[in-house]
Amino acid sequence: EAGVVQSPRYKIIEKKQPVAFWCNPISGHNTLYWYRQNLGQGPELLIRYENEEAVDDSQLPKDRFSAERLKGVDSTLKIQPAELGDSAVYLCASSTGLAGRNEQFFGPGTRLTVL
Amino acid sequence: DAKTTQPPSMDCAEGRAANLPCNHSTISGNEYVYWYRQIHSQGPQYIIHGLKNNETNEMASLIITEDRKSSTLILPHATLRDTAVYYCIVRVRTDKLIFGTGTRLQVFP
Repeated sequence: EAGVVQSPRYKIIEKKQPVAFWCNPISGHNTLYWYRQNLGQGPELLIRYENEEAVDDSQLPKDRFSAERLKGVDSTLKIQPAELGDSAVYLCASSTGLAGRNEQFFGPGTRLTVL
Repeated sequence: DAKTTQPPSMDCAEGRAANLPCNHSTISGNEYVYWYRQIHSQGPQYIIHGLKNNETNEMASLIITEDRKSSTLILPHATLRDTAVYYCIVRVRTDKLIFGTGTRLQVFP
């Protein structure tokens, strides 16, 4: 069974540039999550989707971050413009069942470095 | 803020049992205890979860005290591949995962 796929695995950009991350969840998983993980810390939830609806985006910095999940499958997370403090690993996860009641499967993450 | 307290690091000899403690003294009656681990350069991986009873699966055992204020994750025969950061999380099943800083387990030969 294919796991959660993320691309790119690594991205280096200069500050003020835009960047986008892509996630393909496990087939059939209706719930999709984006997390950010700073060095030495645990992951922090940015946004959760139930199918194509964002049901929890309270931790998403909406001035520069945006996300979409068209057709309730793949998802894209965008930062525009990027700041130095955005350097982190961005993780995507997916799960079955409503309201995230089941275990989450994580992708390998995208490591973003902002110079 | 995370609702759990874990030691920042632990060592374990290969082949021995690794016992990872977690304190969750403010746990509510409807909150489960979840364990995830994160191997270097990978995303977190679900291990096990429980409510009141002890649980066992192919990866580990979870022992929850009777008052539910603490628990222990047991890896019965640790291998080098078990070297990872282990996160203990308490949550209502419909709530989001809130990760702390976890326990860094180093398994040595």
